[in-house]
Amino acid sequence: KAGVTQTPRYLIKTRGQQVTLSCSPISGHRSVSWYQQTPGQGLQFLFEYFSETQRNKGNFPGRFSGRQFSNSRSEMNVSTLELGDSALYLCASSLSGTSSYNEQFFGPGTRLTVL
Amino acid sequence: DAKTTQPNSMESNEEEPVHLPCNHSTISGTDYIHWYRQLPSQGPEYVIHGLTSNVNNRMASLAIAEDRKSSTLILHRATLRDAAVYYCIRREGNDMRFGAGTRLTVKP
Repeated sequence: KAGVTQTPRYLIKTRGQQVTLSCSPISGHRSVSWYQQTPGQGLQFLFEYFSETQRNKGNFPGRFSGRQFSNSRSEMNVSTLELGDSALYLCASSLSGTSSYNEQFFGPGTRLTVL
Repeated sequence: DAKTTQPNSMESNEEEPVHLPCNHSTISGTDYIHWYRQLPSQGPEYVIHGLTSNVNNRMASLAIAEDRKSSTLILHRATLRDAAVYYCIRREGNDMRFGAGTRLTVKP
């Protein structure tokens, strides 16, 4: 069974641009969560989607947005990029959206560098 | 707010047991305790989880205190491949808030 895939793996953008990252969950998984990881702040939760609906959101500005498609694939978008947005963006999928014991499976991440 | 407290770093010798502590003093009755680890240059991976009683799997054991305010992840025989950052997470639904984790160094 294929794992979580994220594209692209690496990305370089300049300040002010916008970027879209993609995540394909494990087949059959309906929940997708996004995280930002930086050396200073660690792993921070961005948002979670289940059945095309955002069910949970972390403490990030509105420049960070996402969506989920009917096939459970998800995209996240960052507009008006800032230097501080340079980070590893991780996607994780799980079977359902409400269970406290469902394991989350993480992808390898997309490394975004903002110049 | 990660709602858990872990030591920043720990060291272990190869093939010795490792006990990684976690404090979650404000845990509620329905919150599960999850442990994930992140190896260098990889996304986090699931290790183990539990609610009230101790749990074992092929990777590790999880010992949960009777009052559930703390837990300990036990690696029975550390290997060099176990060197990673270990995260203890108090999980409410699908809400996973990671703390800073414990960086485990394994010495040969």
